[in-house]
Amino acid sequence: DAKTTQPTSMDCAEGRAANLPCNHSTISGNEYVYWYRQIHSQGPQYIIHGLKNNETNEMASLIITEDRKSSTLILPHATLRDTAVYYCIVRLTSGNTPLVFGKGTRLSVIA
Amino acid sequence: NAGVTQTPKFQVLKTGQSMTLQCAQDMNHEYMSWYRQDPGMGLRLIHYSVGAGITDQGEVPNGYNVSRSTTEDFPLRLLSAAPSQTSVYFCATSGGALRTTQYFGPGTRLLVL
Repeated sequence: DAKTTQPTSMDCAEGRAANLPCNHSTISGNEYVYWYRQIHSQGPQYIIHGLKNNETNEMASLIITEDRKSSTLILPHATLRDTAVYYCIVRLTSGNTPLVFGKGTRLSVIA
Repeated sequence: NAGVTQTPKFQVLKTGQSMTLQCAQDMNHEYMSWYRQDPGMGLRLIHYSVGAGITDQGEVPNGYNVSRSTTEDFPLRLLSAAPSQTSVYFCATSGGALRTTQYFGPGTRLLVL
């Protein structure tokens, strides 16, 4: 699986959009980009995933660049409850491929 | 519908003791996996299973055994606990053809003295 690079930490003001970047320059054509988050001491939670088109759900939006070498997770109106570690993961489309976690980005939402 | 349950929530072991961490799911998911998370670190895959009777190794399998006799259960066995196995252990499951979403349990916190 391709490697990902994320900033170690970020801050965001409450109510503002949080934009979390991820670089995956070695991504191949059959690899998806996944985002998970882990709120303190809890199990990770799925947020969103995409292949090449931008995606949006009730939690977030995922913007993937045209060359697919990077992506941005957007939390449109961050709240204190969004404080967590956010993991960007690149994974083959095969259903048997496990998720491999890096160190992620620690997002702190500040009141 | 309980989702993914893990027992115990917390366990203290002495070096050399053995124990089994339990993971159960009621979502009829074929895919199950075990991760460990050391303080300040990301999750590392220990073992995974794509269905009953099938298991495979992840990144850090040494010192752990698994078996998958039913769809619902995927126990993780520590054969002879070592202080290096002090960690938080998470079980995860996913279903569907592409298994796009993994659901994680609440974790088991293990301390080996």
